[in-house]
Amino acid sequence: DAKTTQPNSMESNEEEPVHLPCNHSTISGTDYIHWYRQLPSQGPEYVIHGLTSNVNNRMASLAIAEDRKSSTLILHRATLRDAAVYYCILRDGGKGNKLVFGAGTILRVKS
Amino acid sequence: NAGVMQNPRHLVRRRGQEARLRCSPMKGHSHVYWYRQLPEEGLKFMVYLQKENIIDESGMPKERFSAEFPKEGPSILRIQQVVRGDSAAYFCASSPRQGPGDFGPGTRLTVL
Repeated sequence: DAKTTQPNSMESNEEEPVHLPCNHSTISGTDYIHWYRQLPSQGPEYVIHGLTSNVNNRMASLAIAEDRKSSTLILHRATLRDAAVYYCILRDGGKGNKLVFGAGTILRVKS
Repeated sequence: NAGVMQNPRHLVRRRGQEARLRCSPMKGHSHVYWYRQLPEEGLKFMVYLQKENIIDESGMPKERFSAEFPKEGPSILRIQQVVRGDSAAYFCASSPRQGPGDFGPGTRLTVL
């Protein structure tokens, strides 16, 4: 499975946008980029995923670089409830099934 | 439509006992994945099952651990003769097809 690199932690102020980066320089053409988050004492929660084009949903936006070697998860207005560990994961759409979690980014939101 | 359900949510066992963790997938989901999260660590894949079949068990410890997903009923992760190192949160995820799915709330196993 291709690897991803994320910062260990980030901090944001409430009500401000947050940009969570992820590098995946060894991404292959069939790898999907998935983002999950894990709130304290809970199971992982799906956030968003994409292949090549930028994606938007009610939770977040995913901006994918043109060469696909990096992506950014964008939370448009951080709230205290967004404090969590955010995981950027690559999954081979051709044959992959399981998710391989890295260490993720701990997002802290200040009021 | 209820989400993925796991029970028990908390389980305490003494060393040497057996632990049975249950995962009821979402309605219509026939694919189940089990993950383990040791304290202060990330989630590690354990096993992937599709009704009555084990598809990928590359993350399962070779001894004491087994998993099943019968035609009827929940998926079961069974740990025999538990040791303190088995203390962790165990999560399952279900999906209607191969691929990432919805996660349950987890079972937190404590081995005394």
